[in-house]
Amino acid sequence: DIQMTQSPSSLSASVGDRVTISCRASQDISRALAWFQQKPGKAPKSLIYTASNLQSGVPSKFSGSGSGTDFTLTISNLQPEDFATYYCQQYKTYPLTFGGGTRVETK
Amino acid sequence: EVQLVESGGGLVQPGGSLRLSCVASGFTFSDYYMDWVRQAPGKGLEWVGRSRNKVNSYTTEYAASVKGRFTISRDESKNSMYLHMNSLKTEDTAVYYCVTVDTSRWDQKYWGQGTLVTVSS
Repeated sequence: DIQMTQSPSSLSASVGDRVTISCRASQDISRALAWFQQKPGKAPKSLIYTASNLQSGVPSKFSGSGSGTDFTLTISNLQPEDFATYYCQQYKTYPLTFGGGTRVETK
Repeated sequence: EVQLVESGGGLVQPGGSLRLSCVASGFTFSDYYMDWVRQAPGKGLEWVGRSRNKVNSYTTEYAASVKGRFTISRDESKNSMYLHMNSLKTEDTAVYYCVTVDTSRWDQKYWGQGTLVTVSS
Protein backbone atom coordinates (compact mmCIF):
# COMPACT_ATOMS: atom_id res chain seq x y z
CA ASP A 1 0.00 0.00 0.00
CA ILE A 2 1.10 3.58 -0.61
CA GLN A 3 1.67 5.46 2.64
CA MET A 4 0.79 9.14 2.74
CA THR A 5 2.61 11.24 5.32
CA GLN A 6 1.39 14.73 6.11
CA SER A 7 3.34 17.37 7.98
CA PRO A 8 2.88 19.02 10.28
CA SER A 9 0.13 17.13 12.09
CA SER A 10 -1.04 20.45 13.50
CA LEU A 11 -0.14 24.09 13.20
CA SER A 12 -1.16 27.35 14.81
CA ALA A 13 -1.75 30.36 12.62
CA SER A 14 -3.37 33.77 12.68
CA VAL A 15 -5.97 35.36 10.44
CA GLY A 16 -4.22 36.72 7.38
CA ASP A 17 -1.36 34.21 7.51
CA ARG A 18 -0.21 32.04 4.64
CA VAL A 19 0.12 28.38 5.60
CA THR A 20 1.68 25.44 3.84
CA ILE A 21 0.90 21.78 4.42
CA SER A 22 3.09 19.02 3.04
CA CYS A 23 2.14 15.54 1.91
CA ARG A 24 4.63 12.87 0.94
CA ALA A 25 3.83 9.60 -0.79
CA SER A 26 5.86 6.45 -0.15
CA GLN A 27 6.15 5.90 -3.92
CA ASP A 28 5.61 7.82 -7.13
CA ILE A 29 1.93 8.67 -7.60
CA SER A 30 2.44 11.07 -10.51
CA ARG A 31 -0.24 13.73 -9.89
CA ALA A 32 -2.96 11.45 -8.56
CA LEU A 33 -3.46 13.45 -5.39
CA ALA A 34 -6.43 15.22 -3.83
CA TRP A 35 -6.86 17.55 -0.88
CA PHE A 36 -9.88 17.74 1.41
CA GLN A 37 -10.99 20.09 4.15
CA GLN A 38 -13.00 18.84 7.11
CA LYS A 39 -14.65 20.82 9.87
CA PRO A 40 -15.82 19.21 13.13
CA GLY A 41 -18.98 17.18 12.73
CA LYS A 42 -19.08 17.71 8.97
CA ALA A 43 -18.29 15.61 5.92
CA PRO A 44 -15.01 16.30 4.15
CA LYS A 45 -15.08 18.84 1.34
CA SER A 46 -13.10 18.41 -1.87
CA LEU A 47 -10.65 21.26 -2.46
CA ILE A 48 -8.17 20.10 -5.07
CA TYR A 49 -7.78 17.16 -7.44
CA THR A 50 -4.97 16.04 -9.71
CA ALA A 51 -2.54 17.79 -7.38
CA SER A 52 -3.30 21.33 -8.48
CA ASN A 53 -6.78 21.58 -9.99
CA LEU A 54 -9.12 23.68 -7.89
CA GLN A 55 -12.53 22.17 -7.30
CA SER A 56 -15.37 24.33 -8.62
CA GLY A 57 -16.57 26.81 -6.03
CA VAL A 58 -13.37 26.64 -3.99
CA PRO A 59 -11.72 30.05 -3.58
CA SER A 60 -8.40 30.68 -5.28
CA LYS A 61 -6.73 31.26 -1.92
CA PHE A 62 -6.28 27.49 -1.93
CA SER A 63 -3.59 26.12 -4.19
CA GLY A 64 -1.88 22.78 -4.65
CA SER A 65 1.39 21.80 -6.20
CA GLY A 66 3.74 18.89 -6.61
CA SER A 67 4.14 15.63 -8.47
CA GLY A 68 5.76 12.28 -7.91
CA THR A 69 6.11 11.93 -4.16
CA ASP A 70 6.04 15.46 -2.75
CA PHE A 71 2.99 17.70 -2.65
CA THR A 72 1.95 20.93 -1.01
CA LEU A 73 -1.31 22.64 -0.11
CA THR A 74 -1.05 26.38 0.41
CA ILE A 75 -3.72 28.56 1.96
CA SER A 76 -3.28 32.29 1.54
CA ASN A 77 -4.81 35.01 3.69
CA LEU A 78 -6.15 32.59 6.29
CA GLN A 79 -9.67 33.43 7.39
CA PRO A 80 -11.70 32.15 10.38
CA GLU A 81 -13.59 29.71 8.15
CA ASP A 82 -10.31 28.09 7.08
CA PHE A 83 -9.51 26.71 10.52
CA ALA A 84 -10.13 23.02 9.96
CA THR A 85 -8.38 19.72 9.36
CA TYR A 86 -6.88 19.04 5.94
CA TYR A 87 -6.25 15.63 4.38
CA CYS A 88 -4.36 14.53 1.31
CA GLN A 89 -5.30 11.36 -0.56
CA GLN A 90 -3.64 9.36 -3.30
CA TYR A 91 -5.73 7.65 -5.93
CA LYS A 92 -2.97 6.28 -8.11
CA THR A 93 -3.44 2.69 -6.95
CA TYR A 94 -5.75 0.65 -4.78
CA PRO A 95 -6.23 0.86 -1.90
CA LEU A 96 -6.78 4.59 -1.94
CA THR A 97 -4.98 6.03 1.07
CA PHE A 98 -5.23 9.24 3.06
CA GLY A 99 -2.66 11.18 4.98
CA GLY A 100 -3.11 11.44 8.72
CA GLY A 101 -4.44 14.99 8.54
CA THR A 102 -3.19 18.45 9.46
CA ARG A 103 -5.18 20.45 11.97
CA VAL A 104 -4.97 24.19 11.39
CA GLU A 105 -5.72 25.98 14.65
CA THR A 106 -5.98 29.59 15.63
CA LYS A 107 -2.94 31.01 17.34
CA GLU B 1 -28.27 19.55 -7.11
CA VAL B 2 -26.34 16.44 -6.17
CA GLN B 3 -27.50 14.78 -2.97
CA LEU B 4 -26.21 11.69 -1.22
CA VAL B 5 -28.16 10.46 1.79
CA GLU B 6 -26.80 7.63 3.88
CA SER B 7 -28.85 5.61 6.33
CA GLY B 8 -28.82 2.33 8.18
CA GLY B 9 -26.26 3.04 10.86
CA GLY B 10 -26.77 2.08 14.47
CA LEU B 11 -25.54 -0.03 17.33
CA VAL B 12 -24.61 -3.64 16.58
CA GLN B 13 -22.83 -6.31 18.58
CA PRO B 14 -19.44 -7.67 17.55
CA GLY B 15 -19.91 -10.42 15.00
CA GLY B 16 -23.17 -8.90 13.82
CA SER B 17 -24.28 -7.55 10.46
CA LEU B 18 -25.61 -4.29 9.16
CA ARG B 19 -26.55 -2.84 5.77
CA LEU B 20 -25.91 0.80 4.99
CA SER B 21 -27.74 2.58 2.18
CA CYS B 22 -26.80 5.60 0.11
CA VAL B 23 -29.54 7.15 -1.99
CA ALA B 24 -28.26 9.41 -4.76
CA SER B 25 -29.97 12.17 -6.72
CA GLY B 26 -29.07 15.03 -9.02
CA PHE B 27 -26.77 13.08 -11.36
CA THR B 28 -26.75 10.02 -13.58
CA PHE B 29 -26.04 7.38 -10.94
CA SER B 30 -25.00 4.67 -13.38
CA ASP B 31 -22.28 6.86 -14.91
CA TYR B 32 -20.37 7.37 -11.69
CA TYR B 33 -18.00 5.32 -9.64
CA MET B 34 -19.00 5.47 -5.97
CA ASP B 35 -16.88 5.06 -2.85
CA TRP B 36 -17.45 4.33 0.81
CA VAL B 37 -15.10 6.16 3.16
CA ARG B 38 -15.18 5.87 6.95
CA GLN B 39 -13.90 7.80 9.92
CA ALA B 40 -13.49 6.31 13.37
CA PRO B 41 -14.27 8.69 16.26
CA GLY B 42 -11.50 11.26 16.57
CA LYS B 43 -9.46 9.62 13.81
CA GLY B 44 -8.63 10.24 10.17
CA LEU B 45 -10.27 9.14 6.95
CA GLU B 46 -10.09 5.57 5.67
CA TRP B 47 -11.18 4.41 2.22
CA VAL B 48 -13.41 1.33 2.52
CA GLY B 49 -14.28 0.36 -1.01
CA ARG B 50 -15.46 1.29 -4.48
CA SER B 51 -18.18 0.40 -6.94
CA ARG B 52 -17.30 1.14 -10.53
CA ASN B 53 -19.93 2.43 -12.95
CA LYS B 54 -22.33 0.50 -15.16
CA VAL B 55 -19.97 0.51 -18.15
CA ASN B 56 -17.56 -1.34 -15.90
CA SER B 57 -20.26 -3.70 -14.68
CA TYR B 58 -20.35 -2.20 -11.19
CA THR B 59 -17.26 -4.17 -10.25
CA THR B 60 -15.80 -3.51 -6.83
CA GLU B 61 -12.58 -2.94 -4.90
CA TYR B 62 -12.07 -3.15 -1.13
CA ALA B 63 -9.61 -2.18 1.54
CA ALA B 64 -7.78 -5.13 3.05
CA SER B 65 -9.32 -4.38 6.45
CA VAL B 66 -12.84 -5.13 5.18
CA LYS B 67 -12.26 -7.53 2.27
CA GLY B 68 -14.25 -10.72 2.72
CA ARG B 69 -16.52 -9.12 5.32
CA PHE B 70 -18.01 -6.12 3.47
CA THR B 71 -19.76 -6.11 0.10
CA ILE B 72 -20.82 -3.15 -2.02
CA SER B 73 -23.84 -3.43 -4.27
CA ARG B 74 -26.08 -1.12 -6.24
CA ASP B 75 -29.72 -0.96 -7.24
CA GLU B 76 -29.90 1.22 -10.32
CA SER B 77 -33.71 1.35 -10.19
CA LYS B 78 -33.50 3.00 -6.78
CA ASN B 79 -30.41 5.10 -7.44
CA SER B 80 -28.97 3.41 -4.40
CA MET B 81 -25.70 1.93 -3.27
CA TYR B 82 -25.36 -0.41 -0.32
CA LEU B 83 -22.63 -1.50 2.03
CA HIS B 84 -23.33 -4.94 3.43
CA MET B 85 -21.24 -5.40 6.55
CA ASN B 86 -20.78 -8.82 8.15
CA SER B 87 -18.63 -10.14 11.00
CA LEU B 88 -18.41 -6.65 12.42
CA LYS B 89 -15.58 -5.80 14.77
CA THR B 90 -15.26 -3.03 17.35
CA GLU B 91 -12.70 -1.38 15.05
CA ASP B 92 -15.39 -0.95 12.39
CA THR B 93 -17.00 1.69 14.60
CA ALA B 94 -17.02 4.84 12.47
CA VAL B 95 -19.03 7.34 10.51
CA TYR B 96 -19.50 5.93 7.01
CA TYR B 97 -19.70 8.31 4.05
CA CYS B 98 -20.71 7.60 0.48
CA VAL B 99 -18.83 9.62 -2.12
CA THR B 100 -19.14 10.21 -5.85
CA VAL B 101 -16.13 9.69 -8.11
CA ASP B 102 -16.08 11.62 -11.38
CA THR B 103 -13.93 9.44 -13.63
CA SER B 104 -13.31 12.29 -16.09
CA ARG B 105 -11.29 13.98 -13.36
CA TRP B 106 -10.94 11.26 -10.75
CA ASP B 107 -12.15 13.56 -8.03
CA GLN B 108 -14.34 12.72 -5.04
CA LYS B 109 -16.45 15.85 -5.25
CA TYR B 110 -19.69 14.99 -3.47
CA TRP B 111 -19.98 13.45 -0.02
CA GLY B 112 -23.02 12.41 1.95
CA GLN B 113 -23.58 13.53 5.53
CA GLY B 114 -22.50 10.15 6.90
CA THR B 115 -24.10 7.52 9.07
CA LEU B 116 -22.66 6.31 12.37
CA VAL B 117 -22.03 2.62 12.97
CA THR B 118 -21.18 1.59 16.52
CA VAL B 119 -19.97 -1.95 17.14
CA SER B 120 -20.10 -2.71 20.83
CA SER B 121 -21.38 -5.31 23.25
